[in-house]
Amino acid sequence: DTAVSQTPKYLVTQMGNDKSIKCEQNLGHDTMYWYKQDSKKFLKIMFSYNNKELIINETVPNRFSPKSPDKAHLNLHINSLELGDSAVYFCASSQGTGFYGYTFGSGTRLTVV
Amino acid sequence: SQQGEEDPQALSIQEGENATMNCSYKTSINNLQWYRQNSGRGLVHLILIRSNEREKHSGRLRVTLDTSKKSSSLLITASRAADTASYFCATTDAGNMLTFGGGTRLMVKP
Repeated sequence: DTAVSQTPKYLVTQMGNDKSIKCEQNLGHDTMYWYKQDSKKFLKIMFSYNNKELIINETVPNRFSPKSPDKAHLNLHINSLELGDSAVYFCASSQGTGFYGYTFGSGTRLTVV
Repeated sequence: SQQGEEDPQALSIQEGENATMNCSYKTSINNLQWYRQNSGRGLVHLILIRSNEREKHSGRLRVTLDTSKKSSSLLITASRAADTASYFCATTDAGNMLTFGGGTRLMVKP
């Protein structure tokens, strides 16, 4: 009955590879997000998406792209992985934007070697 | 850049004591939220306080908000070992994006 689920939990890959992280929410929320947490625990918003609008944090490299096949899913695709992409990536969802708490997934630890 | 700055960065207390964490932010906000993150886990939403509210309670949690000083505090009363975690404040502004502070690492010793 996990509300926001991400797969995989761990991902180890070589530089230059392309990888995807999947996210699904069963809460009926209309907005989903991707956050990146670095080694110092700082959390940075990467994308915000509902069925009407994609908001991209302008600091996110265009190697990162969100793909949403439907309202309950927001996958993260990363092309040409770099060492600096190593981090924990969190998916989250909320009902509306900014007026309610977010529900987070348990995270995907990405290690680029 | 981070919207919020949290103070202290780390806090160690004995079980039963109260823990107070502070958060300062830079821009006008719609609301401020506090989250808990246990080691190796996702973030859990604790409490939300709107910009027109000054204080809010939830169980052993008490949150205050001072918009004139652009600051908030989270008080955990009668702390327990299970409260050991990182605590983050986060704000939403007119763009409604949730922006996080750097977090306070709380350790509660049994």
